[in-house]
Order: sequence, then structure tokens, then C-alpha cells
Amino acid sequence: AQSVTQLDSQVPVFEEAPVELRCNYSSSVSVYLFWYVQYPNQGLQLLLKYLSGSTLVKGINGFEAEFNKSQTSFHLRKPSVHISDTAEYFCAVRGSNYQLIWGAGTKLIIKP
Amino acid sequence: NAGVTQTPKFQVLKTGQSMTLQCAQDMNHEYMSWYRQDPGMGLRLIHYSVGAGITDQGEVPNGYNVSRSTTEDFPLRLLSAAPSQTSVYFCASSSLAARGETQYFGPGTRLLVL
Repeated sequence: AQSVTQLDSQVPVFEEAPVELRCNYSSSVSVYLFWYVQYPNQGLQLLLKYLSGSTLVKGINGFEAEFNKSQTSFHLRKPSVHISDTAEYFCAVRGSNYQLIWGAGTKLIIKP
Repeated sequence: NAGVTQTPKFQVLKTGQSMTLQCAQDMNHEYMSWYRQDPGMGLRLIHYSVGAGITDQGEVPNGYNVSRSTTEDFPLRLLSAAPSQTSVYFCASSSLAARGETQYFGPGTRLLVL
């Protein structure tokens, strides 16, 4: 069965510092990977996705992620975070029947 | 273009009461789904639909019913609410045109069952 593991439930980081949110997946089929962001009291919205091609994927708000097939990882990075990046971030992999398999989420906490 | 809308935004129920959470989308998406979000557990799929008249169960379907009579609407029914159903519920939709299509989420319904 497919699964997604987000290794950190919370990541505190100082404003303007770089950040990496980790995601590992298990999948026996073609891999389609996603990062979604949930700002406080809102629904989720897509940050970026990997379907094929270049393993470095750029998304909105300066985020990027790198697909690493050998390590089955899809870590999310940003070189300099801002207070407005405070949110919960979810990694997901496409499963069967168009479903998404979700990680438990990582809360990004920006310290001033 | 309103995207995905959900009503109500917040609801308090007593154990045993029934209610329907409404979801509508105006993007002509074939795929619609209901998730519940609980702290530390990510999103869990309740039911989904790939078109009008077609529904199927997700990971946690017990206690919930759905129907899809039109492309636009996908209501979720709680037949007899239980405290374990206290959660935040999200509706999402996507096109089936490609396997990597983005899912669009509604703003959520916060449900408290006493």
C-alpha cells in the first residue's frame, strides 16, 4: 500500500532563515507527488507538484521541492522564510482511483 | 467563478442528530471528494465520486452517506452524529483530464458533536 511520511510534526525557524520540510513516500506505481499548504482556518491549496521530467520543481511563494527516486523523498525547501509562510504543509502521493494519499502534515512556525 | 463552496462553516450537533454538509463546485470537475481533518492525522478520505451517479467509499466511510445527482453538488450526510465525528470536513474537486490534476479545496466545515 502507498504511504507518505512527514518526519517532522513541527518545524520552528527564524524569519529569513532557510527551511526544509521532509517527505518520504512509498509507491509501487508511477509517482505523482504534491505539496499543499493550509493557512490558518483555511482550506488547502497547491504549492507545487511533480509529475515527470526535471526532478527540481518550483512552486508558488518561492518554494521548491526535489524528487529523489533512490531515496523515495520529495523534500520541500525555501531559502528565506517570511512570517506569512506560517502554515501547515502537507505532502501527498497520487494513489489509485484518482485518490491522494496524505502525510500527517508539518506545521511551519516562524520565529521573529 | 466561486471554486468550491461549503456550507455551513460551523455546526454544533447533539449526539444522534442528523445533518447534511453541502458542497458545490462551478468548475465542471468530474471528481469530488470529502475528507475529514483531525489533529496529527492529516486528511482522511471519507467518500469520493468520479461523476454524477457514481460514488465510492474512501478510508473512513462509516457513519457517512453521499450522493451525486449533479456534476456540481456532492452533499455529505451524517445519519446519527457521534462525538467521534467531531472534526473539520473539507470538500475537494478536480478534473479527471490528467492523472496529475490539482485538487481544489473548499474552506471547510467545523463540526462539533456533543
